[in-house]
Amino acid sequence: GAVVSQHPSWVICKSGTSVKIECRSLDFQATTMFWYRQFPKQSLMLMATSNEGSKATYEQGVEKDKFLINHASLTLSTLTVTSAHPEDSSFYICSARDRQTANYGYTFGSGTRLTVV
Amino acid sequence: LAKTTQPISMDSYEGQEVNITCSHNNIATNDYITWYQQFPSQGPRFIIQGYKTKVTNEVASLFIPADRKSSTLSLPRVSLSDTAVYYCLVGDGGYQKVTFGTGTKLQVIP
Repeated sequence: GAVVSQHPSWVICKSGTSVKIECRSLDFQATTMFWYRQFPKQSLMLMATSNEGSKATYEQGVEKDKFLINHASLTLSTLTVTSAHPEDSSFYICSARDRQTANYGYTFGSGTRLTVV
Repeated sequence: LAKTTQPISMDSYEGQEVNITCSHNNIATNDYITWYQQFPSQGPRFIIQGYKTKVTNEVASLFIPADRKSSTLSLPRVSLSDTAVYYCLVGDGGYQKVTFGTGTKLQVIP
């Protein structure tokens, strides 16, 4: 089945630095990927829609200059948290859909636990 | 986008059948209903998907009434390892963005 690989699975960074998270579709092409953020004991919150070869579409309230999304190929989307602060500490998850397998929903990455100290 | 409503939490004893109902009154004609399971610090995992009537796979069954305004995920004989949050999502499976509701936190008790 479709597999989405997310890396790293966890990262600790100092306040003010930037962190890049990768999301790869391993066995299918994904022209669209989605990025979510999840705080403890809360549901997933959609941050942005990543479109291959074009600009990402951000949800209301999400700072596009802080959360940079690049979808340079059909199998890779990256999320860069710039100038990270402790309040950016969260669980970040990406997802994509394999259009070839039709109606099998979305496949999610395993998530990245970001801790900003 | 069809909004979904689920109970916030449920408890069940091991070995029992668990039914989690999701309400989606504004479901569109092209929308499918998909259920996901999420364990702590992991991404959601696909469980089952359906459009109407009943769908069954090796882990669950999905019941969808004729009006499709709700759906019920049925987990037979749950075990402790089924303790997780279960989300019901509604969408056409295309490039439509998927938003999550609150989910249902299922706690299986020994």
